[in-house]
Amino acid sequence: IAGITQAPTSQILAAGRRMTLRCTQDMRHNAMYWYRQDLGLGLRLIHYSNTAGTTGKGEVPDGYSVSRANTDDFPLTLASAVPSQTSVYFCASSPRTGGTDTQYFGPGTRLTVL
Amino acid sequence: GQNIDQPTEMTATEGAIVQINCTYQTSGFNGLFWYQQHAGEAPTFLSYNVLDGLEEKGRFSSFLSRSKGYSYLLLKELQMKDSASYLCAVVDSNYQLIWGAGTKLIIKP
Repeated sequence: IAGITQAPTSQILAAGRRMTLRCTQDMRHNAMYWYRQDLGLGLRLIHYSNTAGTTGKGEVPDGYSVSRANTDDFPLTLASAVPSQTSVYFCASSPRTGGTDTQYFGPGTRLTVL
Repeated sequence: GQNIDQPTEMTATEGAIVQINCTYQTSGFNGLFWYQQHAGEAPTFLSYNVLDGLEEKGRFSSFLSRSKGYSYLLLKELQMKDSASYLCAVVDSNYQLIWGAGTKLIIKP
């Protein structure tokens, strides 16, 4: 693989179910991010990780959790999905932390919660 | 609060020039990014400005005025493949990226 991959590509989920969105990068980037993108709104940061073993909360973290056990993987978990979590989810990475580095985005996961 | 303003949608003609504006009010400033996002795809990097002035990169140029809280992306010799959304994002004082909602650019033949 090259770059960032996300899985699944799309998913329809019943409200109340647990779901993990997967993200893997092979660029050895230190920083990784999860965003959601909704029509008419900018990308909103859910959680981020500056390096393996550390995570932080973004603008809209409620209802989501993340882990960063190693450099490559950064899964996002919805513990109990709700319809307002219907969105397109993008994972991104950057070589360094600090926000001024270019971010490289995965292809996205389109999630529908019914 | 922090705010990034961009026009929602613009239309231009193939071969022409278009300027997409972005104004921002943020807590501090540590740079401004422009990304391109084709429908159904991921955003991809176009440019990064941290100092005032114009940065030219092929058919695309990006301008920044920090005193005015203003940037624009200039696209020349428009091609049909330039039909996409263009996202403006500012790095604030906490080095967090604040994203605008994006400008959808429609290119007509």
